[in-house]
Amino acid sequence: DADVTQTPRNRITKTGKRIMLECSQTKGHDRMYWYRQDPGLGLRLIYYSFDVKDINKGEISDGYSVSRQAQAKFSLSLESAIPNQTALYFCATSDSYGPSSYNEQFFGPGTRLTVL
Amino acid sequence: AQSVTQLGSHVSVSEGALVLLRCNYSSSVPPYLFWYVQYPNQGLQLLLKYTTGATLVKGINGFEAEFKKSETSFHLTKPSAHMSDAAEYFCASTTGFQKLVFGTGTRLLVSP
Repeated sequence: DADVTQTPRNRITKTGKRIMLECSQTKGHDRMYWYRQDPGLGLRLIYYSFDVKDINKGEISDGYSVSRQAQAKFSLSLESAIPNQTALYFCATSDSYGPSSYNEQFFGPGTRLTVL
Repeated sequence: AQSVTQLGSHVSVSEGALVLLRCNYSSSVPPYLFWYVQYPNQGLQLLLKYTTGATLVKGINGFEAEFKKSETSFHLTKPSAHMSDAAEYFCASTTGFQKLVFGTGTRLLVSP
């Protein structure tokens, strides 16, 4: 079984709809992240959480919100989806054990979101 | 602010040829550097990372990268390309708190 899972894998929605993307992990990591990937732009950080009570904005948080329901679950919401939020979304996790600055991040398989 | 630049959005090589993917970083403090690979319809997988110590870092699948502080570079190489190496490669850096900054990616195409 995959260590980091994302649901759904694909979603098509309409402008103005509320969408939730979910991420679950079985790695026991305390740190979780949401990124979006756009062609030619690489991955950009939306939100990150270092534990259940710690939520931080990334570089492109406008139009998004998150919820850390448990150590293993981190959800990303688009309150009112717009077409330029069409992208590939990745969840990632990492461990805070040891020198944390260079701990590897483990990525989920991604959610392809299309907003019409 | 730190940044990562990957030269060339696409690199094409023949099977058996040398692979060279370029990455330059900009950082006010020594960064930690990573190369990730993304195969079609999959998430990112760590190839290798540089933290401290030896500047030549070996990773999985025969890839290696060399940290050159004087050139602010961390280029990825593989002596002989294989068809299975075709993927997108991302260079990333962090100076703390695991907030990775990614380059825009380089798609490696391998022809028979």
